[in-house]
Formats: sequence, C-alpha cells, structure tokens
Amino acid sequence: DAKTTQPPSMDCAEGRAANLPCNHSTISGNEYVYWYRQIHSQGPQYIIHGLKNNETNEMASLIITEDRKSSTLILPHATLRDTAVYYCIVRVQGSQGNLIFGKGTKLSVKP
Amino acid sequence: NAGVTQTPKFQVLKTGQSMTLQCAQDMNHEYMSWYRQDPGMGLRLIHYSVGAGITDQGEVPNGYNVSRSTTEDFPLRLLSAAPSQTSVYFCASSPRDRVSGAFFGQGTRLTVV
Repeated sequence: DAKTTQPPSMDCAEGRAANLPCNHSTISGNEYVYWYRQIHSQGPQYIIHGLKNNETNEMASLIITEDRKSSTLILPHATLRDTAVYYCIVRVQGSQGNLIFGKGTKLSVKP
Repeated sequence: NAGVTQTPKFQVLKTGQSMTLQCAQDMNHEYMSWYRQDPGMGLRLIHYSVGAGITDQGEVPNGYNVSRSTTEDFPLRLLSAAPSQTSVYFCASSPRDRVSGAFFGQGTRLTVV
C-alpha cells in the first residue's frame, strides 16, 4: 500500500474553508484515496474517496492532482464540530477490512 | 439500521481475567476488523476477517484471539488480560466488492487493573 504523509496539525477559522493536504507519491494506478476523521473518543467516520477525478459529497470535496501524487480534502465551511483528526489512506478497491492508520492531521476549528 | 454495534461500552478487568468484546454488524459486510487505540495514538489493527471462517493477524495480534463463525459477528477474546491491554477498542466492517468506506462502532473502553 502507498504510504501517505500529512501535516500533524492545522488550524482553521470557523466558517472558512479547511484544506487538508495529503501526499501519496507512491500511489499505484488501482489505488483509491480515502479520507476518514475521528472526532474525540468516537469511532472513525468515513468521509469520501476518489480514484483520479475530483469528488464531492455532503460532507466534503476531494481534489486529486493530475499525477495522483497528492490530494486535498476540503471542508467548505468548517464548524467547531469539524474539529477532529483527519486520516488519509490509500488502498485498492474493496480492501477497507485491514486499514493501516497513520498519525493523521489534527484539525482545530477556532471561533 | 444499527450499523456496527459493540458491547460493552465500558469494562474494567483484573489482570489475568478473560473476557470477550462483542461486535455485530447488520450490513452483510464481508470484512470485519478490530483496532485498538491508546491515549494520544492512532488506531492499530489487531485482527481482521475477510469472511466467515477466515481470520488473519494485523499489526498487534499478541494477547488476542478472534473467530468468525457468522457474517454478522466478530468477537475479540482476551485470554489473560494485562495492564498493557488497557485501551479503547474499535470494531469495523466494510464490503468487499464495491468501493466504500469502512463503518466503525463507537468503541469499547477497557481498563485492566
């Protein structure tokens, strides 16, 4: 599986967009980029995934560079409830059964 | 739709005691897995299963046993609890044949004294 690199922490003002980067320079052609988040003490929550096209759902947008070596998770209007640790994971389809979590990015949304 | 259900939510054990953490899912997912999370740390994979009757070890399997007799259930057994197993345990499930994220339970907070 491709290794990912994320900044350990980021701050964002409430109501502003939060842009969380992830580097995955060794990603293979059949590997997807998945994002999860973990709000304090809760179970991780799946957010979004993508292969090569940009994706959007009700929670976030995912922008993947053309060479697929990096991606950005965008929370368009961050709220205090978005304060969490965000994990970027690269895996092939149908292989979410044995995830290896890195340290993720601790996003702090401030009023 | 219950999703992934873990019981109990909290448990205190004495060193050397045994217990089983229960995990059930109602989404007919093939994959199920167990993770532990120590304070201030990320999640680490203990054991996982790709279907009924099939299990495999993750990053930190020592001290834990699992079995998968049905698609719905994936219990985690601690045979002889140790203080080093004090942690929060999360169970997850996911489908095999489509692109989807994993679904996690709300966790079991275990303290071994």
